[in-house]
Amino acid sequence: KAGVTQTPRYLIKTRGQQVTLSCSPISGHRSVSWYQQTPGQGLQFLFEYFSETQRNKGNFPGRFSGRQFSNSRSEMNVSTLELGDSALYLCASSWKGQEAFFGQGTRLTVV
Amino acid sequence: DAKTTQPPSMDCAEGRAANLPCNHSTISGNEYVYWYRQIHSQGPQYIIHGLKNNETNEMASLIITEDRKSSTLILPHATLRDTAVYYCIVRLNSGGSNYKLTFGKGTLLTVNP
Repeated sequence: KAGVTQTPRYLIKTRGQQVTLSCSPISGHRSVSWYQQTPGQGLQFLFEYFSETQRNKGNFPGRFSGRQFSNSRSEMNVSTLELGDSALYLCASSWKGQEAFFGQGTRLTVV
Repeated sequence: DAKTTQPPSMDCAEGRAANLPCNHSTISGNEYVYWYRQIHSQGPQYIIHGLKNNETNEMASLIITEDRKSSTLILPHATLRDTAVYYCIVRLNSGGSNYKLTFGKGTLLTVNP
């Protein structure tokens, strides 16, 4: 069974730009959640989607948004990028609320 | 979700058992204890979880005290590849939705040759 796939793996963007990250969950998993990891703040929950509906949202500004498609694939978008948005963005999928399986992440650098 | 307390770092000799403690004194009756680990620059990896009873799988054993206020993750024969940050997380199993993990700072386990 293929694992969680995140694309791209690395990304460099300029301040003020926007970015879209993609996550393909494990086949059959309907819950997809997103996390941001920085050296200062550690791993922080962004939001979670289940059956195309956002079920839970972390404490992030409205510049961070996401969506989930009918095939459970998910995207997250960050608009008006700031230097502080540089981070490792991780996606995780799960089945029926059990253990979450994480992708390798997308390393975003904002310059 | 209940908060957890873990030591910031631990060392272990290769081949020996690594015992990683976690305190979760405010855990409620229906909250599970989950363990994940993160090897440098990779996504976190699920290890094991449990509610009341001790659990064992191919990776590790989880020992939960009778009062459920603390637990210990045991890696029976640590290898260099087990060097990672280990996270203890307490959460509800909510049957498919509202999946959220609250990560603390974890324990950096260093396995030495």
